[in-house]
Formats: sequence, C-alpha cells, structure tokens
Amino acid sequence: DSGVTQTPKHLITATGQRVTLRCSPRSGDLSVYWYQQSLDQGLQFLIQYYNGEERAKGNILERFSAQQFPDLHSELNLSSLELGDSALYFCASSVEGEGREKLFFGSGTQLSVL
Amino acid sequence: AQSVAQPEDQVNVAEGNPLTVKCTYSVSGNPYLFWYVQYPNRGLQFLLKYITGDNLVKGSYGFEAEFNKSQTSFHLKKPSALVSDSALYFCADPSGAGSYQLTFGKGTKLSVIP
Repeated sequence: DSGVTQTPKHLITATGQRVTLRCSPRSGDLSVYWYQQSLDQGLQFLIQYYNGEERAKGNILERFSAQQFPDLHSELNLSSLELGDSALYFCASSVEGEGREKLFFGSGTQLSVL
Repeated sequence: AQSVAQPEDQVNVAEGNPLTVKCTYSVSGNPYLFWYVQYPNRGLQFLLKYITGDNLVKGSYGFEAEFNKSQTSFHLKKPSALVSDSALYFCADPSGAGSYQLTFGKGTKLSVIP
C-alpha cells in the first residue's frame, strides 16, 4: 500500500459529461501529480501541485482542470468528455515536489467514456 | 521532450534466467534516472534510482540497474527471473516542464515464462 488513495476506482460515463477524480496523498507529502495512462499515449504527465499551488503543467487539455485543497487532497475535473478520454488516471505524491524524488502512486481511476 | 527511451515493447525470459530491460537516455551532464514497475491493476511502484556515484544501483525485489555513461544506458537487471516479476517496467527521468516531475518511457512488458 503506497498510502495514496484514489477514488473512485472505476467510473463509467457518457460523452459530454463531467466527472471528478479525487486523490488523497500520503501523510506529509505536499506535492500531488496527475498522470494519464492509455495504450496509445503511454503514461503522460498532466499537472502538478505543490502545497496548494500549481507547479507544473504537462499535456493537459483545456477541458481538464485540477486543484489542490488546504488539506492537500487534490481533484482532477474532466469535462465535455470524449471517447478518447477513456484511460487510467493516476495520482502520485511526494514530499518536496522535485523531479529527483521518489513518487508514490495510487491505484488509479479507470475512466470509461461510452 | 522525451529523454529516456525503452527500445523493447516486450521482453520474454524463462524463469530462473537472468533478465535485462533496456533504457537509454539523452541528457547532458549527470542524469537522474529511475525505474518503476507496474503490476496488473496496480499503480506504479518505485524500484530504484540513480543520482550519482556507483554505477551499479541496487533496488527493490532483487533488481539492480547499471548506469553506463559511454553508452548512455541505464538497463534494469536481475540475476534470476521469477514468474512474479512479470509486469510493465518504466524508465523515467525528470525531464519535464521545470524538471519538477518525471517523464516516463513507453514501458516494457516483461513476461517470465515458467
């Protein structure tokens, strides 16, 4: 158990809908990362937060947004969903939010857009 | 831009034989390099990392990786493969925006045949 909790584990929705994925980092970790894993794109970095502030942005679509709350949990909001958004979404956390650190990953949320 | 590459999509090895999963990198200076493993239906787990110093890095579950600067490689190795080592292996480095987060290779599927 990595200590990172993601909910829900599975999500099935329709095109055009909006969903929210939730992540609780390990106790004491200030940084949260979101990654998208799909067969064709592999593991893609979406966005990173550190202590409530956005630190880095990767290949995140404008339809997607995220935030980190004062209790350090994070939410990834996906709107106007398309079939191609179907993927496994991972959250990871680390202490300092630096690229040289070990990341702890949650088990992911499997999103299916029908 | 991607700075680690995993040239093999799949590696098959017989149980008990040594295994190697390949990774090459393309950064200037001394790189930071990581290996992560993803078991079926699980999040990624840290195996090991290279920062500087000894070229042979020992990690979890009996894995080790050899940093070779002349060949710009960081191959993952294990002397004797177990069926339970069958998983998806990712090489990574902090080459993303601001170098705050890891960029992963496309992954190599390791199958250990009994």
